[in-house]
Amino acid sequence: QVQLQQWGAGLLKPSETLSLTCAVYGGSFSGYYWNWLRQTPGKGLEWIGEINLSGSTNYNPSLKSRVTISVDTSTNQFSLRLSSVTAADTAVYFCAGLRLGEFPYWGRGTLVTVSS
Amino acid sequence: DIQMTQSPSTLSASVGDRVTITCRASQNVNRWLAWYQQKPGKAPDLLIHKASILKSGVSSRFSGSGSGTEFTLTINSLQPDDIATYYCQQYNSSVYTFGQGTKLEIE
Repeated sequence: QVQLQQWGAGLLKPSETLSLTCAVYGGSFSGYYWNWLRQTPGKGLEWIGEINLSGSTNYNPSLKSRVTISVDTSTNQFSLRLSSVTAADTAVYFCAGLRLGEFPYWGRGTLVTVSS
Repeated sequence: DIQMTQSPSTLSASVGDRVTITCRASQNVNRWLAWYQQKPGKAPDLLIHKASILKSGVSSRFSGSGSGTEFTLTINSLQPDDIATYYCQQYNSSVYTFGQGTKLEIE
């Protein structure tokens, strides 16, 4: 059974860089694409981007200029960096495993608040 | 991006009812559609993928149908534990998008 555990800073100031990490336990790390999504009351669920075992990435064009997703296969972890954050980036961020296009595995979510 | 529109936004029903949630895509997504259930403070939980395939372990009271641009999620014999927000998600394009959600309430 695949389980995802995520962590990272929950309070940022405008212009700082958001940094979150997700560790994958159980199952096959190589069998999935590893994703980041976020959720706000206003915009709902928004897909941020994904990475596979070989490091190939795919980002949402709306965030692409500020997003970097990386993977560490030695520890079965993947990370999100979102630069130059503003209040609009305040959200609950989820890591998730993608199978054929659906997300069967999710982390618990991390509330990230951007405030001066 | 492909826009996903759910209706209704809120649905109130009684225990034992059959409820239906509709999801419409702004363009053809074939059958590349998933449904999720989300309870407050939790991550979304996959219910159905490829429009109608129930995830292992999900109650058979849940079913999905549709293809192209129109899809439905049906819950038979509504139970109190079904109280949640339901989302559709398309994966026909390389930018995955979700509906805005349907909040299901018990009358």
